[in-house]
Amino acid sequence: NAGVTQTPKFQVLKTGQSMTLQCAQDMNHEYMSWYRQDPGMGLRLIHYSVGAGITDQGEVPNGYNVSRSTTEDFPLRLLSAAPSQTSVYFCASSNLGTQYFGPGTRLLVL
Amino acid sequence: KQEVTQIPAALSVPEGENLVLNCSFTDSAIYNLQWFRQDPGKGLTSLLLIQSSQREQTSGRLNASLDKSSGRSTLYIAASQPGDSATYLCAPSNTGTASKLTFGTGTRLQVTL
Repeated sequence: NAGVTQTPKFQVLKTGQSMTLQCAQDMNHEYMSWYRQDPGMGLRLIHYSVGAGITDQGEVPNGYNVSRSTTEDFPLRLLSAAPSQTSVYFCASSNLGTQYFGPGTRLLVL
Repeated sequence: KQEVTQIPAALSVPEGENLVLNCSFTDSAIYNLQWFRQDPGKGLTSLLLIQSSQREQTSGRLNASLDKSSGRSTLYIAASQPGDSATYLCAPSNTGTASKLTFGTGTRLQVTL
């Protein structure tokens, strides 16, 4: 099993550009989440999903969209990138037990 | 809203010492609590998962305890090694939102030779 995979590993965007961060898991987990990690603030939940077709907002959802058309994939879309979205983004999955995290995507918005 | 505090923020110990990392949380209605390890520039690796009905969980040299009513968990690391150097994160999930974790800012551990 590959576990949780994320692409790209690193991305530089200009303010106003849009992009999609990809996340996939091969463990047949129902629950998937996106977090961002900023220095001194810990990880904060952006959006999460409890199954295909079902998503909800976390603590810091503004500026991000998600969808979950399949159990395996949970992409995160930045609609119009802002410097405040410079961060490291982690995707996670679980079946209400241990949460498994991907390796992260480092995003720099100029 | 759940808030998580980890003390100390940073810790440096010589190899071989036993050590305790502390985690406190404000909302005791938790579903479970996980301890993670994060190496610099890497993702999170789950170390231990404690269900709300459990008092402790052990894996090798690691032991995590949970006192749900007082909102506390501790991670005990026995016979520390330089390879244990990393940031340790505590993350409870609350009843009804079991897929959502709330993280502390972590304890950065350095084990010296």
